[in-house]
Amino acid sequence: QVQLVESGGGLVKPGGSLRLSCAASGFTFSDYYMSWIRQAPGKGLEWVSYISSSSSYTNYADSVKGRFTISRDNAKNSLYLQMNSLRAEDTAVYYCARAEPLTLAFDIWGQGTMVTVSS
Amino acid sequence: DIQMTQSPSSLSASVGDRVTITCRASQGISNYLAWYQQKPGKVPKLLIYAASTLQSGVPSRFSGSGSGTDFTLTISSLQPEDVATYYCQKYNSAPTFGQGTKLEIK
Repeated sequence: QVQLVESGGGLVKPGGSLRLSCAASGFTFSDYYMSWIRQAPGKGLEWVSYISSSSSYTNYADSVKGRFTISRDNAKNSLYLQMNSLRAEDTAVYYCARAEPLTLAFDIWGQGTMVTVSS
Repeated sequence: DIQMTQSPSSLSASVGDRVTITCRASQGISNYLAWYQQKPGKVPKLLIYAASTLQSGVPSRFSGSGSGTDFTLTISSLQPEDVATYYCQKYNSAPTFGQGTKLEIK
């Protein structure tokens, strides 16, 4: 079945780095835009970044621009988020999501991975 | 940047009630709008895209309407399993979510 599984979350100190991964299965990964979305504890959803199917286009929320880098490996059916210079306000569950091809609405979501930034 | 504002922030209704949630964009977004449902402790689920197109498998009691700046999500007959937080989202250019509407059963 169509599935996204995130990994790589954990506890990191402010200023530290973390790399999240998302393994896709059950669909042709290389056909889809992909995205990262986060949700701070008890808060709403915040889009973080997305990447086109061929990696030719990326976009970032202002809150992470210059600190986070999205990438993908279509041969490995994997999506990544390199997070540098982490701040307390980056603490959240990070979801990877597939973008529906015609509209770019997020039609498939992973279970999420928790990132906690704290000293 | 375009802001998305939902109202109300929370709402309590009885089983069988008709429920309407509103989402307003600070600038026109045509019909580039989606609605998501997030049940407590669960992952968000796409309900509606293109403002009014029901995602496959979503019950027909859910419907969406609107274009430009004003959009609505309607549940025609509220069921206990509809307890959730609902988010609107514009998906043209930089995706932006509304702040959410928490729906409870009275």
